[in-house]
Formats: sequence, C-alpha cells, structure tokens
Amino acid sequence: ETGVTQTPRHLVMGMTNKKSLKCEQHLGHNAMYWYKQSAKKPLELMFVYNFKEQTENNSVPSRFSPECPNSSHLFLHLHTLQPEDSALYLCASRKGDINSGNTIYFGEGSWLTVV
Amino acid sequence: GENVEQHPSTLSVQEGDSAVIKCTYSDSASNYFPWYKQELGKRPQLIIDIRSNVGEKKDQRIAVTLNKTAKHFSLHITETQPEDSAVYFCAAPNQAGTALIFGKGTTLSVSS
Repeated sequence: ETGVTQTPRHLVMGMTNKKSLKCEQHLGHNAMYWYKQSAKKPLELMFVYNFKEQTENNSVPSRFSPECPNSSHLFLHLHTLQPEDSALYLCASRKGDINSGNTIYFGEGSWLTVV
Repeated sequence: GENVEQHPSTLSVQEGDSAVIKCTYSDSASNYFPWYKQELGKRPQLIIDIRSNVGEKKDQRIAVTLNKTAKHFSLHITETQPEDSAVYFCAAPNQAGTALIFGKGTTLSVSS
C-alpha cells in the first residue's frame, strides 16, 4: 500500500464507450500524474498536475481527458478509444521539488483493454 | 526536453553474480536520479536514488553511481538472487523539473 489508490484495477471497454479511471492519494502530495505503460513505451508520461492545475500535456490525444478537482483526486476520462490504447495506466503523486530529491510514488495501476 | 537512454534492455545472470544497468540523460540541469523496480503485475517501486551532490550511494547489495560530467548513472546489484528478477527503470527529471522521464527498462533474470 503506497497511499495512491486506483480504481478500477481492470477495465474492458468497447471503442464507443465512455469510462473513467480514478486515482486518490492519501499522502498530502501536491502533484499528481498519469503515466501509460505498454510494451512499446514502457513508462510514458501523459499528464502532470501541480496543485490541481495541469502543467503538462505530453501530446496526448483528446480521447483522453484528465480532471483534477483537488490535490488528492485525479481522473482520466476515456472516450472513443482505440485497441492500441490498451495498456496499464499508472497514477502517481509527489510532494515538493523533484530536483531536491522528492520522488514520485505510483499506484497499482488500472489495466485497460479496448475491444 | 529530457531524454533518458537505458542499456541493456535484457540482462541474464547466474545467482550470485553482479548485474550492472546503465543510463544516460541529456539535461545537464537534472539533479536527481532514481531507480525503480517493477515485479510482474505490480507497480514500479523506488529502490534507490542519488542526487547530483554525491557520486555514489549504497544500500546493502544495491549501489548507484553518478558521473555528472558524462551525464550517466548506473545501478549495481551484487550477489544477485532470484528475487531480484524484475524490470528496472532509471529516471531523470524533465526539463521543467515537474515530472520524471523514464528509460525503457531492463528486464533482469537471475537464474539459480
């Protein structure tokens, strides 16, 4: 248990469905992330939120829509996905400045299969 | 932006041998370099990290070395055991210092 909780752990969705992934951190961290992990690109940064403001969108297609209502919660809304979007989606969080030695902590991930 | 290269992509060793994984980074402003271990079906977990004000850090059988001039850092695992089998990722901060950029991972297999 890292203090970063993701739900659901497994999700199967059709290409026309709309679903959401949820992440909650209980660590008092101020930054939250979505990473995508697939065989082609093992740990690919998608979105960065600092104090619930999006600071980075790593050229992610608009069919992925993040939402950060507060510093403890992060969502990833999914709409009209493609089979190649099937992957493990990892949420992570951090407190403080990375270059000062504050690392990020991952949740267990949500396995997404698009059929 | 930051680019992190990791080698080798796979590494097979006999139990008791040493394993070395190497990474290079591109942004000279980066000051923090963590290593994560990911076991099958689990999340990546931090195993050791190093900041740029030191050249080496050790924790039992695991050590990390950093050469800031050459912009590379390495993970050293001594006396490997089967439970060390996993995927290992190196990382460095992105240019904005707001996130970690990861290498492509090294699959380490330790056979007994």
